[in-house]
Amino acid sequence: KAGVTQTPRYLIKTRGQQVTLSCSPISGHRSVSWYQQTPGQGLQFLFEYFSETQRNKGNFPGRFSGRQFSNSRSEMNVSTLELGDSALYLCASSLANNEQFFGPGTRLTVL
Amino acid sequence: DQQVKQNSPSLSVQEGRISILNCDYTNSMFDYFLWYKKYPAEGPTFLISISSIKDKNEDGRFTVFLNKSAKHLSLHIVPSQPGDSAVYFCAAKGSETYKYIFGTGTRLKVLA
Repeated sequence: KAGVTQTPRYLIKTRGQQVTLSCSPISGHRSVSWYQQTPGQGLQFLFEYFSETQRNKGNFPGRFSGRQFSNSRSEMNVSTLELGDSALYLCASSLANNEQFFGPGTRLTVL
Repeated sequence: DQQVKQNSPSLSVQEGRISILNCDYTNSMFDYFLWYKKYPAEGPTFLISISSIKDKNEDGRFTVFLNKSAKHLSLHIVPSQPGDSAVYFCAAKGSETYKYIFGTGTRLKVLA
């Protein structure tokens, strides 16, 4: 069974631009969560989707948004990029309300 | 407010000895706890979990202990192997939420 895939793996953008990251969960998993990882901050929860509905949201500004499609694939979007948005963005899927399986992440660098 | 804390940013252990990684939490509503291991350039990998109805869960070389009164959990790795060198994250969630709260991680180095 294929794991969680994320595209692209690496991305370089400039301040003020917007970016869209994609996540394909493990087949059959309907829950997809997104996290931001920065040095010293661990994994910060962004949001979680289940069956195209956002069930939980973390404490991030409205520039961070996401969506989930009917095939459970998910995208997250960051608008008006800031230098502080440089981070590793991780996507995780789960079958139900239990352990999550993570993708390799997208490394975003904002210049 | 960091609800899940890993106060040791790093730990070094000799190969064959026990590694003990600690995690403290503040939210008494948390009822499910997990440990993940992360290698550079990879996503975290699930290791072991424990429900709040238990105080111990074992899986091979990995054992997680939960002390609810102290709001503390620990991961024991016995015996430690060089391949265990990675960053370890603990995470917690409550039954009423789908949101996992992660600690900041502990970098374990197992010395050969």
